Amino acid sequence: QVQLVQSGAEVKKPGASVKVSCKASGYTFTSFYMHWVRQAPGQGLEWMGIINPSAGSTSYAQKFQGRVIMTRDTSTSTVYMEVSNLRSEDTAVYYCARGGIVATTFFDYWGQGTLVTVSS
Amino acid sequence: DIQMTQSPSAMSASVGDRVTITCRASQGISNYLAWFQQKPGKVPKRLIYAASSLQSGVPSRFSGSGSETEFTLTISSLQPEDFATYYCLQHNSYPPTFGQGTKVEIK
Repeated sequence: QVQLVQSGAEVKKPGASVKVSCKASGYTFTSFYMHWVRQAPGQGLEWMGIINPSAGSTSYAQKFQGRVIMTRDTSTSTVYMEVSNLRSEDTAVYYCARGGIVATTFFDYWGQGTLVTVSS
Repeated sequence: DIQMTQSPSAMSASVGDRVTITCRASQGISNYLAWFQQKPGKVPKRLIYAASSLQSGVPSRFSGSGSETEFTLTISSLQPEDFATYYCLQHNSYPPTFGQGTKVEIK
């Protein structure tokens, strides 16, 4: 069965960086894009960007350009998202979500979420 | 970016009620729309994809309709486990954008 397992909660100071992982299993890793979405406390869902695990190509929401880097390791079927220069407004739950080209597989599976807390 | 506007933002309803949530797109998105349910502290769960296709395992009381700029999610008879926040998501063009959410509360 398809599973996306994310790394554990993090507490960071303002200005620091955080790297969250998302390990995929149960399907062909390189056949589906991976998206990252975040949700601040009590707020809605916000799309951050996408990585193509096959080519390693990425596309980021304009808001996160220059501060987010998404990478992948095909040997372990894992994607990573690093956010730099953290500020308090980055406190949120970060999710990875599978996204195929066709609607049937777009955001059909999600990771369990990783809480990132930014506090001095 | 395409803006997705959900209405209402919140609503109170009783068990057994018929509930309708609307999502409007700022431009046509064909049928590239999905609906998600999220309960507090839980991961969003996809209910509907391609505007009207029911996700496997989701009860048939949930249904979706619409195309281009106007979409609806209908719960035909609200059950206790349906009290949650619902989001629409368009993926016709990048970036994908979510509606702001509709919180369905117990009356």
